[in-house]
Amino acid sequence: GAGVSQSPSNKVTEKGKDVELRCDPISGHTALYWYRQSLGQGLEFLIYFQGNSAPDKSGLPSDRFSAERTGGSVSTLTIQRTQQEDSAVYLCASSLVYQETQYFGPGTRLLVL
Amino acid sequence: GNSVTQMEGPVTLSEEAFLTINCTYTATGYPSLFWYVQYPGEGLQLLLKATKADDKGSNKGFEATYRKETTSFHLEKGSVQVSDSAVYFCALRLNQAGTALIFGKGTTLSVSS
Repeated sequence: GAGVSQSPSNKVTEKGKDVELRCDPISGHTALYWYRQSLGQGLEFLIYFQGNSAPDKSGLPSDRFSAERTGGSVSTLTIQRTQQEDSAVYLCASSLVYQETQYFGPGTRLLVL
Repeated sequence: GNSVTQMEGPVTLSEEAFLTINCTYTATGYPSLFWYVQYPGEGLQLLLKATKADDKGSNKGFEATYRKETTSFHLEKGSVQVSDSAVYFCALRLNQAGTALIFGKGTTLSVSS
């Protein structure tokens, strides 16, 4: 079956612009996670969704970062007023809520100039 | 706090050599433990997992045993191949529904023929 998909695969933007990153989880997976992979910080958790609600937003690095999920499926991560330190690969993962295995998408590589 | 520490790389081996990548963890309670692999140009893939003490996870010739007494989950393979060249991430997940993965910083493995 189809895995987790993310778009765009690459995004180059100018400092100060807003960007939206999209994640399509595996069909039927109710849990969805966003992570960030950067050279200096490794893999960091950003936010977790269960259905359309986000019980854990503890990893969002600043109020410039927000995410939503609609219909219990697609999720969008929005970064406002991007900064150069936001440059990273943004990874999305999904799982059946009571299973432990998270399946990852290919990521969106964001470069802020 | 909860964390994962894995040996720093890069690890460089010749084909058919024995591989060990060390991983230790700090966690409250009894987490589940994972090894993920990221091949060049690809997304994160689950390699193996173990959910309780003394469990052994195995896949593609790789093995790791959940050692509660030493809080470790070392990855081993008896004979590596060039195709095993990748970045390997050790991770833990606390056993609560929806909890995010906590990753180590990753170990780069390079295998030459």
